Amino acid sequence: ETGVTQSPTHLIKTRGQQVTLRCSSQSGHNTVSWYQQALGQGPQFIFQYYREEENGRGNFPPRFSGLQFPNYSSELNVNALELDDSALYLCASSRGADEQFFGPGTRLTVL
Amino acid sequence: AQSVTQLGSHVSVSEGALVLLRCNYSSSVPPYLFWYVQYPNQGLQLLLKYTTGATLVKGINGFEAEFKKSETSFHLTKPSAHMSDAAEYFCAVSYGNAGGTSYGKLTFGQGTILTVHP
Repeated sequence: ETGVTQSPTHLIKTRGQQVTLRCSSQSGHNTVSWYQQALGQGPQFIFQYYREEENGRGNFPPRFSGLQFPNYSSELNVNALELDDSALYLCASSRGADEQFFGPGTRLTVL
Repeated sequence: AQSVTQLGSHVSVSEGALVLLRCNYSSSVPPYLFWYVQYPNQGLQLLLKYTTGATLVKGINGFEAEFKKSETSFHLTKPSAHMSDAAEYFCAVSYGNAGGTSYGKLTFGQGTILTVHP
């Protein structure tokens, strides 16, 4: 059974650019949640996708958007990058409200 | 809205000593409670969770936690620390299907960095 994978591992962008992060969910999971973990902080919930529909959103601006595909993999898109967007982005997959399994994360640095 | 407070951003113990990491939550309804561990440059690994039933929960690597509703606490303990326990630990809460529109959305504390001295 393959676990949750994320790509890329690391990414460097400049202010104003756009970025797409990818997540492959664990087999049998239909729900993907995205979290942002700033340095020295706990992860914060960005949004969740359930069966290709957004299923709840945290306190993040609209320039954070996402998609879920029929195979339940997911993308996180961030437009107009700001310095404060530098963080570790974590993806977690689950079967509905069951236990969430986390991927290794994507480290985004915005210069 | 739920919140999680972890008392002590850094905890230092000697190898073989008791580990105690504190977590308190605020909630109007009984939550599901979790402890995760994060090693440097890695994602989160679940140590243990409480949903319903027995309030003393045993997890991996010898860790356990006790849900105390009257104290709104879920402290993490391990009787004897090992060097490999050095990592950052996060307490989190969710409400399963009762969590509004998000299934099992997790709210995390700020984290506690555990250092283990030889």
